[in-house]
Amino acid sequence: GQQVMQIPQYQHVQEGEDFTTYCNSSTTLSNIQWYKQRPGGHPVFLIQLVKSGEVKKQKRLTFQFGEAKKNSSLHITATQTTDVGTYFCAGRHNAGNMLTFGGGTRLMVKP
Amino acid sequence: ETGVTQSPTHLIKTRGQQVTLRCSSQSGHNTVSWYQQALGQGPQFIFQYYREEENGRGNFPPRFSGLQFPNYSSELNVNALELDDSALYLCASSPGARYTDTQYFGPGTRLTVL
Repeated sequence: GQQVMQIPQYQHVQEGEDFTTYCNSSTTLSNIQWYKQRPGGHPVFLIQLVKSGEVKKQKRLTFQFGEAKKNSSLHITATQTTDVGTYFCAGRHNAGNMLTFGGGTRLMVKP
Repeated sequence: ETGVTQSPTHLIKTRGQQVTLRCSSQSGHNTVSWYQQALGQGPQFIFQYYREEENGRGNFPPRFSGLQFPNYSSELNVNALELDDSALYLCASSPGARYTDTQYFGPGTRLTVL
């Protein structure tokens, strides 16, 4: 079936260091969304990318969608303790309604 | 504008029992999707309801069923509970069923099956 893989599974960083999580799909995605889930919380929508090669920024967060629309990345510059949580990518195939989530990258930040 | 709400917050059931989980969508949203999130994993799509009709289903057996009401609130029913059904059940509402529509998640219902 259609899968979305995400790496790494865990990442420990020192506060102030950068962080990147990568998302890969076996097939072309119609769009990709990124969510953040704090411990004990629920996924909160961060951003959506639709166009091939698209890059969007939100303050210290940079999101990219690959040219082939099969991969995506989230980069956080100068992490803060408030960035702690699990970051999920989620994509749709064939403009369908089923959102397929990656396994998530759990970010831990040491102050 | 009220957000997505779910009830109950926590639930404990025994194997073989049936359970009903409820979701109230965000104001103005006509589409509700349900997800199962096992511990340490990403949410898995169960199904979506758009204007009271099922509008897509993931790889879940028929004992997972749902309803959407005229006010767009929704229920998830699970029959013949199994131990592996223990998970966080999330509903997400969106303004429509287009693939670009953003989903807004509720806080979830934590189901434990003993």
